[in-house]
Amino acid sequence: AQTVTQSQPEMSVQEAETVTLSCTYDTSESDYYLFWYKQPPSRQMILVIRQEAYKQQNATENRFSVNFQKAAKSFSLKISDSQLGDAAMYFCAYRTPFYGGATNKLIFGTGTLLAVQP
Amino acid sequence: DAGVIQSPRHEVTEMGQEVTLRCKPISGHNSLFWYRQTMMRGLELLIYFNNNVPIDDSGMPEDRFSAKMPNASFSTLKIQPSEPRDSAVYFCAGRAGNYGYTFGSGTRLTVV
Repeated sequence: AQTVTQSQPEMSVQEAETVTLSCTYDTSESDYYLFWYKQPPSRQMILVIRQEAYKQQNATENRFSVNFQKAAKSFSLKISDSQLGDAAMYFCAYRTPFYGGATNKLIFGTGTLLAVQP
Repeated sequence: DAGVIQSPRHEVTEMGQEVTLRCKPISGHNSLFWYRQTMMRGLELLIYFNNNVPIDDSGMPEDRFSAKMPNASFSTLKIQPSEPRDSAVYFCAGRAGNYGYTFGSGTRLTVV
């Protein structure tokens, strides 16, 4: 069974600095998707960034980028120029591709609570 | 598009009462998921529908839980009878293409 592990329950970063959140996963599949979701105090789950396993290039969305190491099964999130609004719980998630009828549920890690210090 | 709409946003009920949570997915999202979030267990998938048909309900904790999707624009999650340990945030989510999911704002359920 696939599992997702986030080993950092809490992290802290100074405003304008860079922080990296760690995520590892376990799977025997070769084709899959990885995601980072942000959950602010409003509890809304917001998709931050996604990565297709078949792509070697790391995904980037503005200040957010990932370091995807497929062989190591590692998927870390880097937040550059941290802002106060980045303070939230961040979840790493894994999903197998959808092949008609197969379960394609998102499997979540336990989350990392990020604090941003002014 | 208004996104995935869940109601109510908060629900407080007494133990033993029936609770119904509602979800209106985004038009065109043919897969719908119900997740439960607690401090102890994190985010757990309860049930998953594809084209209104339940595909995987292995995460439904007990027979007290049931879910329906009578049409593509509406789904319910019912707990009968409710218990204090059912207190959690319940999320509905739709699959957006072959990528991530779009989540609703969740329903915070408190059973006293």
